Amino acid sequence: DAGVIQSPRHEVTEMGQEVTLRCKPISGHDYLFWYRQTMMRGLELLIYFNNNVPIDDSGMPEDRFSAKMPNASFSTLKIQPSEPRDSAVYFCASSFGTGRTGELFFGEGSRLTVL
Amino acid sequence: SQQGEEDPQALSIQEGENATMNCSYKTSINNLQWYRQNSGRGLVHLILIRSNEREKHSGRLRVTLDTSKKSSSLLITASRAADTASYFCATDKSGTYKYIFGTGTRLKVLA
Repeated sequence: DAGVIQSPRHEVTEMGQEVTLRCKPISGHDYLFWYRQTMMRGLELLIYFNNNVPIDDSGMPEDRFSAKMPNASFSTLKIQPSEPRDSAVYFCASSFGTGRTGELFFGEGSRLTVL
Repeated sequence: SQQGEEDPQALSIQEGENATMNCSYKTSINNLQWYRQNSGRGLVHLILIRSNEREKHSGRLRVTLDTSKKSSSLLITASRAADTASYFCATDKSGTYKYIFGTGTRLKVLA
């Protein structure tokens, strides 16, 4: 298996632009997580899905952020409009549900810079 | 916030020495996991310990869990330069599958 695949790996954009980050989880995993990592705030859980349904989005910073999972093999995290404070590394992770190992498999991340 | 706190924030040791890092959390949990992150990379799972377990071993790793103190420790024995990385604990609140990560310990192993 190729693991969790994220794209783009790097994105540089200007304030006000729309940003879309993409994630392909490991086949068969039924949980998908979006995290954001910054030096100041560490790793923050933004939202997680179970069987394509959002379960908890309490970590989404504000209405500018939205996430979707239209099917079991694809998820997007969208920021519109982007702001410099959104600059961070965004990680996607997937997992089997509780009852199996519970291990989260992470992608390599998407490094976002908003100028 | 349930976020775990880890200490020390940074640790520098000589190759061959043992490294111990600690994690504290705030709420009841199902599991506690430890992850490793090399610079510029994603996190990699190291070991999981369930709430009804007190100690677990995997190779050079030893994890302990004290649910009464809401704390865990990760011991890396006979450290190597390749162990240089950041280490994070992650906990899931009982009744959920919501994994929250700690603040991390930056470990540097000097050759």
